[in-house]
Amino acid sequence: EAQVTQNPRYLITVTGKKLTVTCSQNMNHEYMSWYRQDPGLGLRQIYYSMNVEVTDKGDVPEGYKVSRKEKRNFPLILESPSPNQTSLYFCASSPTQNEQFFGPGTRLTVL
Amino acid sequence: KQEVTQIPAALSVPEGENLVLNCSFTDSAIYNLQWFRQDPGKGLTSLLLIQSSQREQTSGRLNASLDKSSGRSTLYIAASQPGDSATYLCAVLAGAGSYQLTFGKGTKLSVIP
Repeated sequence: EAQVTQNPRYLITVTGKKLTVTCSQNMNHEYMSWYRQDPGLGLRQIYYSMNVEVTDKGDVPEGYKVSRKEKRNFPLILESPSPNQTSLYFCASSPTQNEQFFGPGTRLTVL
Repeated sequence: KQEVTQIPAALSVPEGENLVLNCSFTDSAIYNLQWFRQDPGKGLTSLLLIQSSQREQTSGRLNASLDKSSGRSTLYIAASQPGDSATYLCAVLAGAGSYQLTFGKGTKLSVIP
């Protein structure tokens, strides 16, 4: 089944403890991205990648890192999480500039 | 900077009614527009994708139109059902070479049995 998977789906952590949210797609898509969704603010793009080893900042990249060493994986790294990074995170992929497919989301709480 | 607005923010209709959701965007130089559905606590499901050269797309009871010059799109849902209850989001992709989707804040639809 063609899909975008994220792990973990739920995470509660404490300020400053490094964490990684994984994202994987099995559709051989070149493009992948990360979004966060917050009440009243909607979905905002954090980082995107147009292919292996090619990444760029979205609208809200501060406090996040990404890497794209393989085509299928695009992990989101929070080196030192803070409470303002509590949010619902979505990974997405697409073949070139076409329809984007979203993962199920990761609900992160930073205490 | 592109801004996407969806009106109304919430809508409640009786089952069986036809309805229209609106989406407007400030910069008409878009590559495509995509409508999504989001159920509570769930991810986004793509409903329809309209390329900038197209005027509309249809899938079952859903029809999306695009008027790029006026910066508007509508999502028409025919014969609404309780299972259509969800938040509907529209998103625009900027011009060729861009991969950044800009989202509206959504319309929360409730279809009352």
